[in-house]
Amino acid sequence: AQKVTQAQTEISVVEKEDVTLDCVYETRDTTYYLFWYKQPPSGELVFLIRRNSFDEQNEISGRYSWNFQKSTSSFNFTITASQVVDSAVYFCASLGNAGNMLTFGGGTRLMVKP
Amino acid sequence: DAGVTQSPTHLIKTRGQQVTLRCSPKSGHDTVSWYQQALGQGPQFIFQYYEEEERQRGNFPDRFSGHQFPNYSSELNVNALLLGDSALYLCASSSASGSNLYEQYFGPGTRLTVT
Repeated sequence: AQKVTQAQTEISVVEKEDVTLDCVYETRDTTYYLFWYKQPPSGELVFLIRRNSFDEQNEISGRYSWNFQKSTSSFNFTITASQVVDSAVYFCASLGNAGNMLTFGGGTRLMVKP
Repeated sequence: DAGVTQSPTHLIKTRGQQVTLRCSPKSGHDTVSWYQQALGQGPQFIFQYYEEEERQRGNFPDRFSGHQFPNYSSELNVNALLLGDSALYLCASSSASGSNLYEQYFGPGTRLTVT
């Protein structure tokens, strides 16, 4: 079974600040996958990134970066120079060996104020 | 390239009624998963369909059933609706092969209100 914890329920920042969203996962699988999704007010979950358990390289995509550390079972997401359009609920999720069921954390609501 | 589509967008039903939600997967995808998202919570997995068979099921009662058609589209049926079934129902599609294996792409959801 998988478990994902997002301890921060709400974060409020001012535009141009950097912000890090935390994600801690639990799994007994040796192979697993981690994801981040963004859910704007419209409700659709937007895929941001997938990470495989055997690849601990950090990734950067524009203002977004992800830090995957197996030693602490964490997969944190940083937004650099935040913008108002980044305001949304962000979900971290995991998927185990069987590759079927995404297990989501409770989400972090990010509010970026102008 | 059409993404995942769902219909209807919104639905209001009465307790005890039955409802059918529909999903068309992203082009090239053959697997469809359904999730229920209650207000303020993360999505919960209902079940997944592949090759017209239910491949895995989450912790949901038998009132929740589904179907996948030969064109990979899918339906979610909920019988004997309860007030607690009010939620956003999300469909996700993925491919069982290829470099994007296991990446699930979501549709806009169907918001179901049970009164």
